[in-house]
Amino acid sequence: GEDVEQSLFLSVREGDSSVINCTYTDSSSTYLYWYKQEPGAGLQLLTYIFSNMDMKQDQRLTVLLNKKDKHLSLRIADTQTGDSAIYFCAGESGAGSYQLTFGKGTKLSVIP
Amino acid sequence: NAGVMQNPRHLVRRRGQEARLRCSPMKGHSHVYWYRQLPEEGLKFMVYLQKENIIDESGMPKERFSAEFPKEGPSILRIQQVVRGDSAAYFCASSPPVEAQQYFGPGTRLTVT
Repeated sequence: GEDVEQSLFLSVREGDSSVINCTYTDSSSTYLYWYKQEPGAGLQLLTYIFSNMDMKQDQRLTVLLNKKDKHLSLRIADTQTGDSAIYFCAGESGAGSYQLTFGKGTKLSVIP
Repeated sequence: NAGVMQNPRHLVRRRGQEARLRCSPMKGHSHVYWYRQLPEEGLKFMVYLQKENIIDESGMPKERFSAEFPKEGPSILRIQQVVRGDSAAYFCASSPPVEAQQYFGPGTRLTVT
């Protein structure tokens, strides 16, 4: 089955860029996802990337996918205090699988 | 368009009691998924349901846990005879029939005392 690893903490200054990294084991995922969880809240689907793409940009968010190294990253440009949250990387447990496997989450702290 | 609704948001049960967690999917979504999040952990898949059918319950504990998604009404995750280890956040997600992306509700935080 899929295994997803993330670093647990990241601290950046307001206005800087944040880069959150993720590695996964199952290269057959059709999509890979980034979710954001604010304290006491549910998961918000931030963005996702189709496995045959290597980059996707959506306003301040850039997702990079390196299939060879099984590495996924999320870059947040001009990080704001409202971006402080836990960010989860998730992959599918097999191509087209509905079972999402999540990393433990990266807690992003933005220093004003 | 309202998002995925879950209730209650917080639930406290004593050991041995039953917990019933409800999930109403987004309008137009007929697929429901339940996940459990233990403290400091990522979410773990529990069960996938469509209306009146359990499609995959491979992530559900074999005993005490059950799920349903009736023709009318919300999906229900039921935990009988709760134990302290059941304390967690339980998230429901939904998706439309032809889309892979899952949209999550706010979760129910279950505390077993």
